Amino acid sequence: NAGVTQTPKFRILKIGQSMTLQCTQDMNHNYMYWYRQDPGMGLKLIYYSVGAGITDKGEVPNGYNVSRSTTEDFPLRLELAAPSQTSVYFCASSQDRVAFFGQGTRLTVV
Amino acid sequence: GENVEQHPSTLSVQEGDSAVIKCTYSDSASNYFPWYKQELGKGPQLIIDIRSNVGEKKDQRIAVTLNKTAKHFSLHITETQPEDSAVYFCAAIVTGNQFYFGTGTSLTVIP
Repeated sequence: NAGVTQTPKFRILKIGQSMTLQCTQDMNHNYMYWYRQDPGMGLKLIYYSVGAGITDKGEVPNGYNVSRSTTEDFPLRLELAAPSQTSVYFCASSQDRVAFFGQGTRLTVV
Repeated sequence: GENVEQHPSTLSVQEGDSAVIKCTYSDSASNYFPWYKQELGKGPQLIIDIRSNVGEKKDQRIAVTLNKTAKHFSLHITETQPEDSAVYFCAAIVTGNQFYFGTGTSLTVIP
């Protein structure tokens, strides 16, 4: 089982550029999440989805967008990247209250 | 919503000693409390969990205790080893699959 797969692992963006962080899971989980992790700040929820076609905002959604057209995929879109979006991004999926995380994407906005 | 606080933020112990990490939560309706371990460069992984109808749960050198009255739960690691060095996160779940994470504890086990 691949579990939760995120791409890319690393990315450097210039201010104002846009990009999509990809996330796919092969466990047929209904719930999927995007978190950002800043040093000493723990995991902050950006967006989450309870199933295909349904998404909702988390704690820190500004500057991001998501879509969930299939059960497997939950991409995160950054429009007009800003230095404040420099962070490590984690995608996760869960079923029965057990969450599985991807390896993370380290994003730097310069 | 739920608010989870975690202490300490950093913890150093000698190999073989015990380590304790504590979390408090605010919503008395929370009923599931998992602990995640994050090794350097990796995503968090579930190591142990406890449900609100249980006071303590053990898995080899790891144990978790829950005090529902005081709304706190703790992770205990005995006979620590260098490979226990990582960041540990506690979490609380109220309903469904909405996770509320603590801010993490960076544990260093000194050989």
